Amino acid sequence: AQSVTQLDSQVPVFEEAPVELRCNYSSSVSVYLFWYVQYPNQGLQLLLKYLSGSTLVKGINGFEAEFNKSQTSFHLRKPSVHISDTAEYFCAVRRIQGAQKLVFGQGTRLTINP
Amino acid sequence: NAGVTQTPKFQVLKTGQSMTLQCAQDMNHNSMYWYRQDPGMGLRLIYYSASEGTTDKGEVPNGYNVSRLNKREFSLRLESAAPSQTSVYFCASTGTVTEAFFGQGTRLTVV
Repeated sequence: AQSVTQLDSQVPVFEEAPVELRCNYSSSVSVYLFWYVQYPNQGLQLLLKYLSGSTLVKGINGFEAEFNKSQTSFHLRKPSVHISDTAEYFCAVRRIQGAQKLVFGQGTRLTINP
Repeated sequence: NAGVTQTPKFQVLKTGQSMTLQCAQDMNHNSMYWYRQDPGMGLRLIYYSASEGTTDKGEVPNGYNVSRLNKREFSLRLESAAPSQTSVYFCASTGTVTEAFFGQGTRLTVV
């Protein structure tokens, strides 16, 4: 079975500073990887996804993530954050073949301070 | 293009009451999911359906039943609601090689 661990439950940063949100996963088979964002009182929307190919993927709002197979990680980064990036971020994995359950991490609350 | 539609958006139940949360998607996706979201616990999978007529338990299925009526619809039923089921519920769907699309959520309070 797959599992996802988001290493930080809360990350406070100052506006225009860089940020990294960490995600590690466990799976015995190949997986797809996703990052979702949830703004207050809203549903989840996709930030970016890794399906195959280049290990550096770019998403919306200036975010990017790097897939590291040897370290089973998929960390999310942004070089300069804005107040509007305040939200909760979720990492998720899904098997490529077989039962395609989508499994989420516990979430990281990103707070941007002026 | 509506995507994933959940109803209702809000619901208050008394302990022991029953209700059904409805979910429909118009993207011709095979897989559909029900999650609950609680503070500090992320999204936990309640039930999953890989295709019409099939369902599978997730991480927290106790107290819930589901029905995949057809390819479009996947409902979640609480037969006898308990305060521990107070949560925000999300329905989602996904195609074979696509990300999941989510409904706007149902905020359920059991008193």
